[in-house]
Amino acid sequence: DGGITQSPKYLFRKEGQNVTLSCEQNLNHDAMYWYRQDPGQGLRLIYYSQIVNDFQKGDIAEGYSVSREKKESFPLTVTSAQKNPTAFYLCASSTLTGVNTEAFFGQGTRLTVV
Amino acid sequence: DAKTTQPNSMESNEEEPVHLPCNHSTISGTDYIHWYRQLPSQGPEYVIHGLTSNVNNRMASLAIAEDRKSSTLILHRATLRDAAVYYCILRGNSGYALNFGKGTSLLVTP
Repeated sequence: DGGITQSPKYLFRKEGQNVTLSCEQNLNHDAMYWYRQDPGQGLRLIYYSQIVNDFQKGDIAEGYSVSREKKESFPLTVTSAQKNPTAFYLCASSTLTGVNTEAFFGQGTRLTVV
Repeated sequence: DAKTTQPNSMESNEEEPVHLPCNHSTISGTDYIHWYRQLPSQGPEYVIHGLTSNVNNRMASLAIAEDRKSSTLILHRATLRDAAVYYCILRGNSGYALNFGKGTSLLVTP
């Protein structure tokens, strides 16, 4: 079945450590996105990519990094520079001309800093 | 990007119709109106979208005002599984990313 997969579902990290969240899609979508969601809040855009080897910062990119070496994969690294990393992280994908098509979301990774 | 305004929460009885409003007074002519919903601890899922005409699919209907400054998502018969946060989002040519607000939290009671 086509879809978008995030792993792991739950992740615990010690303060000061970097951690990488995985996002893979087999929908042949060019565009991929990372969002962060805090309790009771909407989603905020961290980074997005419209093509392999290219990506742009979203509204809250500080303390995060991404790569897009393959069309199917868009991993997110939460670095030690991110001051409040505990959150629910969501990955999404869509076609490049996505204004008239739907975006697909993964089931999310819940990151907790201990 | 143009912004949307939605009520923070709404409540409905099971098997009753639900009308979820969204105001978008600064919408541009090329902005599509998208609706997504998010169940607890899950990623958002697409519900419906439209540009000017009313739209229907198996999940819901979308009614768009003639001046496009507002729209209404209609769930014809609410079920307990429809309890979720519903997001109204404008998607235009200025960018491809979805810009989420806080949405409307829908409570469905038996």
